[in-house]
Amino acid sequence: EAGVAQSPRYKIIEKRQSVAFWCNPISGHATLYWYQQILGQGPKLLIQFQNNGVVDDSQLPKDRFSAERLKGVDSTLKIQPAKLEDSAVYLCASSSGLAGPDTQYFGPGTRLTVL
Amino acid sequence: AQSVTQLGSHVSVSEGALVLLRCNYSSSVPPYLFWYVQYPNQGLQLLLKYTSAATLVKGINGFEAEFKKSETSFHLTKPSAHMSDAAEYFCAVSRYNQGGKLIFGQGTELSVKP
Repeated sequence: EAGVAQSPRYKIIEKRQSVAFWCNPISGHATLYWYQQILGQGPKLLIQFQNNGVVDDSQLPKDRFSAERLKGVDSTLKIQPAKLEDSAVYLCASSSGLAGPDTQYFGPGTRLTVL
Repeated sequence: AQSVTQLGSHVSVSEGALVLLRCNYSSSVPPYLFWYVQYPNQGLQLLLKYTSAATLVKGINGFEAEFKKSETSFHLTKPSAHMSDAAEYFCAVSRYNQGGKLIFGQGTELSVKP
């Protein structure tokens, strides 16, 4: 079974530029998560989708971050414009449902460096 | 509000020694608890999870954890460390009515000396 795919793996941009990350979840998984992991910290949830609807985006900086999950499969996370503090690893995860004990499967992440 | 505290940002053990990584949680309702491992430049991999069944949970690679409600703890252990265990370990908590959202601790980096 293929895992969660993410691209690109690495991205370097200058501040005020825009960037987009792509995620393809495990086939059949209805729930998709985007986490931000700043160096030395645990991942923090940015946004959660159930199929193509948003379940939780309370910690997404909506003035610069946006995300979509068209057709309930792939997802794209965008940052525009980027700030220095956005340097982090962006992790995508998927699970089969919304229940608390459902296991989340993580992709390899995209490491963003903002100069 | 839920939170997770991992005691010790860095733990170093000798190969063959006991591994003990500490995790304490705060939750007003019974939580679901998870341990994930992250190898360099990789995503997170589930080691084990507690879902209110047995309090002693066995996971992959010889790891286990015990849920202790009275101590609000979920410490991760392994009897004998291998060099391949060197990685970052994250404890996380979720609740049944929060859509599976995970709240992570800050992580503990495990080093294994030969």
